[in-house]
Amino acid sequence: DVKVTQSSRYLVKRTGEKVFLECVQDMDHENMFWYRQDPGLGLRLIYFSYDVKMKEKGDIPEGYSVSREKKERFSLILESASTNQTSMYLCASTSGTYQPQHFGDGTRLSIL
Amino acid sequence: QQPVQSPQAVILREGEDAVINCSSSKALYSVHWYRQKHGEAPVFLMILLKGGEQKGHEKISASFNEKKQQSSLYLTASQLSYSGTYFCGTSTAGNKLTFGGGTRVLVKP
Repeated sequence: DVKVTQSSRYLVKRTGEKVFLECVQDMDHENMFWYRQDPGLGLRLIYFSYDVKMKEKGDIPEGYSVSREKKERFSLILESASTNQTSMYLCASTSGTYQPQHFGDGTRLSIL
Repeated sequence: QQPVQSPQAVILREGEDAVINCSSSKALYSVHWYRQKHGEAPVFLMILLKGGEQKGHEKISASFNEKKQQSSLYLTASQLSYSGTYFCGTSTAGNKLTFGGGTRVLVKP
């Protein structure tokens, strides 16, 4: 089974802090994604990566950046955290076009 | 633009049927369906590709009408385990999915 592991289930940070969310997958998938999930809005794509060091903006990239230095690891960075970034963050990976996405358990991030 | 899911919520008794719709304003190539239980990760159910293919997963099936840019998920003879939030994800090309707002399903005994 595919395993997508997110580094923290719960995280509390202060406004203005730089925040790192880590995601690791163990199936050698080329494609990885970061979503945020808010009630009533579903999952919204922040960034995705289709290869090491490659990244593309999703639908809501403002205030975020990403890093993919190794194939198995995809990091989401909040450059200067703000309260409106309080949310559930989900990482996913997939082997290719039109294949299932496999999700991690999520990180519930609170910015105070 | 996100696809629109309807209804937003549905309550069923065990054994009843339900239909969840997912509509897009864009020409679609594929539709994914996922189910998320409270506090858990979304879990893949099925993918439908352009061509109107119908698929099934246990007693859950789906169809894709590419002319209408709409997909429907059919919950047949619902079980308690069907409770959760169902999301459709649509793609026009490539790996990028755009998800709908979700449909909350509660199946009661």
